[in-house]
Amino acid sequence: DAGVIQSPRHEVTEMGQEVTLRCKPISGHNSLFWYRQTMMRGLELLIYFNNNVPIDDSGMPEDRFSAKMPNASFSTLKIQPSEPRDSAVYFCASSVQWYGNTIYFGEGSWLTVV
Amino acid sequence: AQKVTQAQTEISVVEKEDVTLDCVYETRDTTYYLFWYKQPPSGELVFLIRRNSFDEQNEISGRYSWNFQKSTSSFNFTITASQVVDSAVYFCALSSTGANSKLTFGKGITLSVRP
Repeated sequence: DAGVIQSPRHEVTEMGQEVTLRCKPISGHNSLFWYRQTMMRGLELLIYFNNNVPIDDSGMPEDRFSAKMPNASFSTLKIQPSEPRDSAVYFCASSVQWYGNTIYFGEGSWLTVV
Repeated sequence: AQKVTQAQTEISVVEKEDVTLDCVYETRDTTYYLFWYKQPPSGELVFLIRRNSFDEQNEISGRYSWNFQKSTSSFNFTITASQVVDSAVYFCALSSTGANSKLTFGKGITLSVRP
């Protein structure tokens, strides 16, 4: 079975540009998560969806960040405008009905903003 | 509030040594789940184990074993006869079971296994 699929795997962009990260969760999973990993802050939950509905976006750092899940098989995380401090690895993850079930992670999108 | 502490930041061992990675957690919930994930140098996060708070039995999977002790709020991970391929960052994580629960990660332990 396919795991969580993220794209792009690597992106280098200039400050001020819009960045869109994409995610396809595991088929049958109805909870989707976006995490960010940095050396300073470790793994942080940005937002999570249940049945395509955002449940908790308290981890989204600022209004420059937005996430959508238009259907059960696709989600995007957008940063507009991007800043150098947004450089990080962004992980998408999914689980079956999140209430403590196992979360499976994608391979991550490595973002560098110069 | 939930908290996961991985006091060890970096561990270096020689191949074939046994190594234990410590994890201490804090939660007010009576029902919760504990996890370990592995992040190899390639960067992906690989699920290793999930354990619920009512199951204190130790678990063994090949060279990996986990020791869950509620009395000390610990969920330690031991690798027996370590191999170079075990070199990775290992994360312990905790979640409760409510709709607003979050998976809280520790800072991770970087394990280096030298040949």
